[in-house]
Amino acid sequence: DGGITQSPKYLFRKEGQNVTLSCEQNLNHDAMYWYRQDPGQGLRLIYYSQIVNDFQKGDIAEGYSVSREKKESFPLTVTSAQKNPTAFYLCASSPRGGSGRPYEQYFGPGTRLTVT
Amino acid sequence: GENVEQHPSTLSVQEGDSAVIKCTYSDSASNYFPWYKQELGKGPQLIIDIRSNVGEKKDQRIAVTLNKTAKHFSLHITETQPEDSAVYFCAALSGNTPLVFGKGTRLSVIA
Repeated sequence: DGGITQSPKYLFRKEGQNVTLSCEQNLNHDAMYWYRQDPGQGLRLIYYSQIVNDFQKGDIAEGYSVSREKKESFPLTVTSAQKNPTAFYLCASSPRGGSGRPYEQYFGPGTRLTVT
Repeated sequence: GENVEQHPSTLSVQEGDSAVIKCTYSDSASNYFPWYKQELGKGPQLIIDIRSNVGEKKDQRIAVTLNKTAKHFSLHITETQPEDSAVYFCAALSGNTPLVFGKGTRLSVIA
């Protein structure tokens, strides 16, 4: 059963703590992405990676960090430096440069993070 | 860089009527235009896409049209049903950069 998994679905943390959100894909996609979505808002790109061991900042990277040590995994750490971390976080992946349909991007189910 | 504008931000239609959502883009090099549907509390789902060498694409009740000259593309949903109620996002892709998304349209289908 191929797809993108994000865990957990809901996450609660105290202010000042770092927290890591998991994203795993078994689609053999080269590229992976992290987005943030606030209530009633669109999708804002945090970080993306087009190949293992390489990643680039998106539009709102401040207060976040990522790693891409394996093709199938792209964890996102929300650090204590992120001023408003409460949001819905979405991971996505796409083939990008691979065979077949390189452009199609697919999203995971999301993790809702609440920081109090 | 690319900029995508999406209209309207909210849309209400009667069940059975058609719904049209429009997007404009700024980068003439953009060549791929997907549409996503997001239901409450879920991740966006790719529902249809179009490449720049095609003017129209249909899949059952949904269709997308592209006007490269005017740099706009539209999503058409016919015979709307309550389960079509969701937020719809358009996006554009240029070169090797990530997708650029519109801000979304909240569609409500009234039974």
